Amino acid sequence: EDKVVQSPLSLVVHEGDTVTLNCSYEVTNFRSLLWYKQEKKAPTFLFMLTSSGIEKKSGRLSSILDKKELSSILNITATQTGDSAIYLCAVVKNTGANSKLTFGKGITLSVRP
Amino acid sequence: GAGVSQSPRYKVAKRGQDVALRCDPISGHVSLFWYQQALGQGPEFLTYFQNEAQLDKSGLPSDRFFAERPEGSVSTLKIQRTQQEDSAVYLCASLIWDSGVQFFGPGTRLTVL
Repeated sequence: EDKVVQSPLSLVVHEGDTVTLNCSYEVTNFRSLLWYKQEKKAPTFLFMLTSSGIEKKSGRLSSILDKKELSSILNITATQTGDSAIYLCAVVKNTGANSKLTFGKGITLSVRP
Repeated sequence: GAGVSQSPRYKVAKRGQDVALRCDPISGHVSLFWYQQALGQGPEFLTYFQNEAQLDKSGLPSDRFFAERPEGSVSTLKIQRTQQEDSAVYLCASLIWDSGVQFFGPGTRLTVL
């Protein structure tokens, strides 16, 4: 059975801190891993990672995939209160056109002023 | 429209009632997915459409759940004889053919009393 595990499940930090969110997976026919940010609305896309060792960066957020360790991390530097959200990790399998996502439970990040 | 829209945003149903949840995907997106997100959990796959064809319904939890997309655009998820365990947020996502990145709607929060 496909499995995506995120850790920690929740995290409280102060503004300005740096955080690292973890995602590990066990899936057959892995194609890509995606990170989403979910506030009280639609999950919004952050990154899609397909190749191992190549960091993707967007502002204060960055992410990297390690296919050998079957894991990914999402880093947020200089956190702000607006970063408070649930961060979801999901994997896509190589099963033709059906790109259904298998999600982890999510990591609840709270950034305090 | 610019993004995926869903309606209603909130629905309260009495146990045993039927409900219908609507999803308007991004114009031109061939693939459409429905997910169910219980409180404190990541989204879980329900069903997948490619145009009007329902190619995967392996995630539908029971035969009370039914989805359709008759003209390959708008989709409706119907739940018959709702039960309390159906209470969840129902998310719809669409993507351009095989791009791998799914764009989510804001979800419908269903509460069954």
